[in-house]
Amino acid sequence: DAGITQSPRHKVTETGTPVTLRCHQTENHRYMYWYRQDPGHGLRLIHYSYGVKDTDKGEVSDGYSVSRSKTEDFLLTLESATSSQTSVYFCAISVGLQETQYFGPGTRLLVL
Amino acid sequence: AQKITQTQPGMFVQEKEAVTLDCTYDTSDPSYGLFWYKQPSSGEMIFLIYQGSYDQQNATEGRYSLNFQKARKSANLVISASQLGDSAMYFCAMRAPLYNQGGKLIFGQGTELSVKP
Repeated sequence: DAGITQSPRHKVTETGTPVTLRCHQTENHRYMYWYRQDPGHGLRLIHYSYGVKDTDKGEVSDGYSVSRSKTEDFLLTLESATSSQTSVYFCAISVGLQETQYFGPGTRLLVL
Repeated sequence: AQKITQTQPGMFVQEKEAVTLDCTYDTSDPSYGLFWYKQPSSGEMIFLIYQGSYDQQNATEGRYSLNFQKARKSANLVISASQLGDSAMYFCAMRAPLYNQGGKLIFGQGTELSVKP
């Protein structure tokens, strides 16, 4: 158990509304990541963080923003949700010398 | 560009038999890490095994072993003595260097393994 939680675990929202997903870790790991998983695409990186207030874009960052004001929390915001953002969202942390990424349980988001 | 290829969308194996899931990769970086993850129907991503590009020996973790053939750029997962609980989607992934989007993982498309009783 890598001590990663995500909230909410499930969410249904309407197009155009803002949505914030939270990732929380219980240890002080520096690197945190947000991925989305879609059929036919596997997991793709949205944004990542390498420290408090240090974030950068991944390969599918359009329409998303992130914030990290504390080491333990990494927030992903959909500024104006669209149906194409219906997906499963995973948070991950990088651990140890091997930089193994451990994943949270995921958040299923449905945008109607 | 880095790429992971899993050519087996689905596989069947008899309980207690061994099974090999294929993974090939492409990278120009000399230093990289290779991972396998299991995703059961419940949806969580479970880390199984890691192989570093400079590791001389194949990684093993219990019933899981990684058949690492560097010259062929392959990193196949071998599951010995399959169990019904092994039925899941399996993903091969490669870690990009830290300067490349923070060492993101690049995933293959996955192989769905079904274990028959």
